Amino acid sequence: NAGVMQNPRHLVRRRGQEARLRCSPMKGHSHVYWYRQLPEEGLKFMVYLQKENIIDESGMPKERFSAEFPKEGPSILRIQQVVRGDSAAYFCASDEGGGYGYTFGSGTRLTVV
Amino acid sequence: GENVEQHPSTLSVQEGDSAVIKCTYSDSASNYFPWYKQELGKRPQLIIDIRSNVGEKKDQRIAVTLNKTAKHFSLHITETQPEDSAVYFCAALRSGYSTLTFGKGTMLLVSP
Repeated sequence: NAGVMQNPRHLVRRRGQEARLRCSPMKGHSHVYWYRQLPEEGLKFMVYLQKENIIDESGMPKERFSAEFPKEGPSILRIQQVVRGDSAAYFCASDEGGGYGYTFGSGTRLTVV
Repeated sequence: GENVEQHPSTLSVQEGDSAVIKCTYSDSASNYFPWYKQELGKRPQLIIDIRSNVGEKKDQRIAVTLNKTAKHFSLHITETQPEDSAVYFCAALRSGYSTLTFGKGTMLLVSP
């Protein structure tokens, strides 16, 4: 079992560019959660998705951020027109539903220059 | 929504000592409380969890206690070792929801 796969591990973008972060859940998991981690701020919830559905996006900024989890392929977190403040580690987690026992991916560390 | 407070933010102990990390939560409807360990540059990993119908749970050198009345829960690590050095996060899950709310983390440093 390959676990939760995230790529890329590191991503550098210039201000104004787009960032695309990918997350493939563990085999058998159909629920995906995205979190952002900033130093000394812990893990902040962004969005919760099931296949083809956004269940809860209450933690995601209304502007420039979007997420999807298509029927086929990985979940994508998309950040348009990145700014320096978007620099952070973005983690996704998956489970079978219910929130009991997330498995996290290794994260994508986004740096905006 | 749920709010989770975690203390202390940093904790330094000598090898062999015990370490205690405390968390409080705000929503009395929360019913699941996991703890994650994150080593530098790595993913958070679940180390122990407890449900609201249990007051204490142990797994070798780690234990978690829950006080539902006071809405707080704690992680206890005994006989600490240098490899216990990491950031530890507590979290809470509200009944009927699937999203975990995390505390800000505790950096534990175990000195040889």
